[in-house]
Amino acid sequence: GENVEQHPSTLSVQEGDSAVIKCTYSDSASNYFPWYKQELGKGPQLIIDIRSNVGEKKDQRIAVTLNKTAKHFSLHITETQPEDSAVYFCAAPSRGSGGGADGLTFGKGTHLIIQP
Amino acid sequence: DAGVIQSPRHEVTEMGQEVTLRCKPISGHDYLFWYRQTMMRGLELLIYFNNNVPIDDSGMPEDRFSAKMPNASFSTLKIQPSEPRDSAVYFCASSRGRIRNTEAFFGQGTRLTVV
Repeated sequence: GENVEQHPSTLSVQEGDSAVIKCTYSDSASNYFPWYKQELGKGPQLIIDIRSNVGEKKDQRIAVTLNKTAKHFSLHITETQPEDSAVYFCAAPSRGSGGGADGLTFGKGTHLIIQP
Repeated sequence: DAGVIQSPRHEVTEMGQEVTLRCKPISGHDYLFWYRQTMMRGLELLIYFNNNVPIDDSGMPEDRFSAKMPNASFSTLKIQPSEPRDSAVYFCASSRGRIRNTEAFFGQGTRLTVV
């Protein structure tokens, strides 16, 4: 099945600076890479995703890049704000031993702390 | 829509007891997923359904775990008997269409503590 590695596990940045979170995946057939944000006491929520036919996607202060050759993708947050403090998860389609391929395998998460 | 609704939000039970977690997906969504979140293992996919049919349960850790989806608006995850290592936050999520084409919406989770 798919294996997703995520780094760093904790990231502290000054408000206004940029934050970068990186992930690698193992299944070269994977073609969809979402990023989820989880705030305290809540479930994860999709913030941006990218498909394998593009190398970069932007949405205001958030961008994601994908390198299919190296099998890694990254989340970039610019001009960070206090409300960006949360746990961020990368993910890739999972391929369970049961044959289904419609779940997601998540990275272990990055706790992003925005220092005022 | 109220989103994915899970109940209870918190559950404390004694080892050996049966625990049932409940989920109401978003109306019109045809996929339903159960995830478990722990500090050590992160978010793990346990099982998912498509049109109420279980498709992949390879993530279910043991036979003590079972899940059902009797209709399009309700699913349960049952642990019998429960053990302290089952303590975790359990999330239900739903999506309209395949996960590679659309967003998965998560509920707020059930925090399970087995003592």
